[in-house]
Amino acid sequence: GENVEQHPSTLSVQEGDSAVIKCTYSDSASNYFPWYKQELGKRPQLIIDIRSNVGEKKDQRIAVTLNKTAKHFSLHITETQPEDSAVYFCAARPTGSARQLTFGSGTQLTVLP
Amino acid sequence: EAGVAQSPRYKIIEKRQSVAFWCNPISGHATLYWYQQILGQGPKLLIQFQNNGVVDDSQLPKDRFSAERLKGVDSTLKIQPAKLEDSAVYLCASSLEWYAQETQYFGPGTRLLVL
Repeated sequence: GENVEQHPSTLSVQEGDSAVIKCTYSDSASNYFPWYKQELGKRPQLIIDIRSNVGEKKDQRIAVTLNKTAKHFSLHITETQPEDSAVYFCAARPTGSARQLTFGSGTQLTVLP
Repeated sequence: EAGVAQSPRYKIIEKRQSVAFWCNPISGHATLYWYQQILGQGPKLLIQFQNNGVVDDSQLPKDRFSAERLKGVDSTLKIQPAKLEDSAVYLCASSLEWYAQETQYFGPGTRLLVL
């Protein structure tokens, strides 16, 4: 099955700096890659996703890049703010019938004021 | 639109007891998922329903866990008997369909502590 590895497990940045979180996946059939943000004690919420037919997607301060050849994708947050502090999870899903979403282990992002 | 609802939010039980969790997905969502999220880890899929049929339950510990979605809407997840290692947050999610790379929307979760 799919295996998703996520790095780093913790990340601290100064407010205004950029943050980058990286994930690798194992199943070359994966073609859907969402990113979820989970604040303490709250539900995971989708912040951005990318499909394998594009290499990059941007939404205001967040962007995701995908390298299918290398089987890795990254989340980029620019001009970080304290409210960006949360745990971020990447996930991957292979195409085909009944394929499940496999999550990475999460990155605790702390934005220092 | 209303989100995914779950209850209870918190549950404390002793090992070997039984417990049940309830989930109400977003209206019109055919696919429902139950995940287990152990502290410090990403969510792990336990079972996936399409309407009232099971699509994937390969990671469900069937000797103690069971789930149903009888009318294709609400779902319950049961653990009987519970073990210490079942302490986790149980998340329910729903999506319109499973095959079209649909976004999964999560509920607030049920935090289970087994003593």
